Amino acid sequence: GEDVEQSLFLSVREGDSSVINCTYTDSSSTYLYWYKQEPGAGLQLLTYIFSNMDMKQDQRLTVLLNKKDKHLSLRIADTQTGDSAIYFCAERANDYKLSFGAGTTVTVRA
Amino acid sequence: DTGVSQDPRHKITKRGQNVTFRCDPISEHNRLYWYRQTLGQGPEFLTYFQNEAQLEKSRLLSDRFSAERPKGSFSTLEIQRTEQGDSAMYLCASSLALELFFGEGSRLTVL
Repeated sequence: GEDVEQSLFLSVREGDSSVINCTYTDSSSTYLYWYKQEPGAGLQLLTYIFSNMDMKQDQRLTVLLNKKDKHLSLRIADTQTGDSAIYFCAERANDYKLSFGAGTTVTVRA
Repeated sequence: DTGVSQDPRHKITKRGQNVTFRCDPISEHNRLYWYRQTLGQGPEFLTYFQNEAQLEKSRLLSDRFSAERPKGSFSTLEIQRTEQGDSAMYLCASSLALELFFGEGSRLTVL
């Protein structure tokens, strides 16, 4: 089955690192994704990782994957006010479909 | 910028009316998806096209919903006899391979 869970809220001080966590249940997931959604907007693809990797870094973003525990995290270094948004974790369990979590609302405070 | 385009961005309708949303995918993307998002939730899969063929429909897509992609380019999502529970953001996405790119969404409010 497909079930992706995320913590609902994260508050972080500007300049600190943010870590957003996600767990998934489908062991056949091939790729895992992180999307960002700002108010009233669509989803912006941030990054994705293949399931046989354990880490991927892209500028301020670092994705860590623990396949054994089915745990995915997104670290944002030097968090800025523009990083305030909802972040969605998604798993790709078959050839085409993504299943999303409920999203983590990140609030960056000055 | 030739990203995924959706129209209209906002639609307010009365219960029982029909509504239609249009999605123009990124050029040459052969895969097109419709998702629905309600407040406080992540997007839920509705249906998927590869070229003009509709290959999967979620059980969320009742018989009041119909989606088409007649020439394998743009797609329409029609909701007949709308109900208040249909109020949501309808998101379209397209892809060529691994990356799904989403449009800005069409927000439906049913009064």
